[in-house]
Amino acid sequence: DVKVTQSSRYLVKRTGEKVFLECVQDMDHENMFWYRQDPGLGLRLIYFSYDVKMKEKGDIPEGYSVSREKKERFSLILESASTNQTSMYLCASIYNTEAFFGQGTRLTVV
Amino acid sequence: RKEVEQDPGPFNVPEGATVAFNCTYSNSASQSFFWYRQDCRKEPKLLMSVYSSGNEDGRFTAQLNRASQYISLLIRDSKLSDSATYLCVVDLSGGYNKLIFGAGTRLAVHP
Repeated sequence: DVKVTQSSRYLVKRTGEKVFLECVQDMDHENMFWYRQDPGLGLRLIYFSYDVKMKEKGDIPEGYSVSREKKERFSLILESASTNQTSMYLCASIYNTEAFFGQGTRLTVV
Repeated sequence: RKEVEQDPGPFNVPEGATVAFNCTYSNSASQSFFWYRQDCRKEPKLLMSVYSSGNEDGRFTAQLNRASQYISLLIRDSKLSDSATYLCVVDLSGGYNKLIFGAGTRLAVHP
C-alpha cells in the first residue's frame, strides 16, 4: 500500500510565524502536490513538484513556498503565517493519475 | 468560473434509493476524469475513473459527456455506508497529473 505521511495532524501557530508542513511518501513517486481544503471551496492546488528540486505554482501559491530536496519528501512553507491561511492542508503523491493523500494537517493561525 | 463545478447538496436519501450527481468542467482540453470519495474528517480516496464509454463498478456507474463537458455518478441501492462527500476530479495533465477537484457533493443516506 502507498503511504503518504504528513508530519502533524493538528497545528496552532501565531500570525507572522514561519510554518513548515512536511510530507513523505514511500512509493518513489515523482509527482507530489499540496492542496488546501476549505468549506465550499473544495481542494485548491497550492504547489506541485514533478521531480527533485522542481516545483510549479498551482492556483493559489501566494504566501507559500515549497521545497523538494529528496524525492520522497515535499515540504510546504508558510513564510509568514496569516489568519486567512487557517485551513486543512492535504499532501498527495500522484502516480498514473491516481492521487494518494496524507491524512491532512489542520492548521490554525491565531 | 470554477474549473470543476458540482452541486454541494446535501442529498438526503433513504436506504435503497438511487441517487445521481452531476459535475461540469470548463476546460475542453481535460483528458481524464475521476470520482473520489471523502469521508468526514478523512482524506479523499479514488472511487472510480470515468471513461468515455461509461463504466460500472458494482452499484456505481460513471458517465462522461465530452460534448457537454459533464460527468455523472449514479449510485443504486444506496447503503448507509455510502454517506460521504463525492468529489469530481479532472486531470488537465500535460504529463504532470495536475488534478483539479470540485468542491464536492455531500450524500447522506438515512435508514
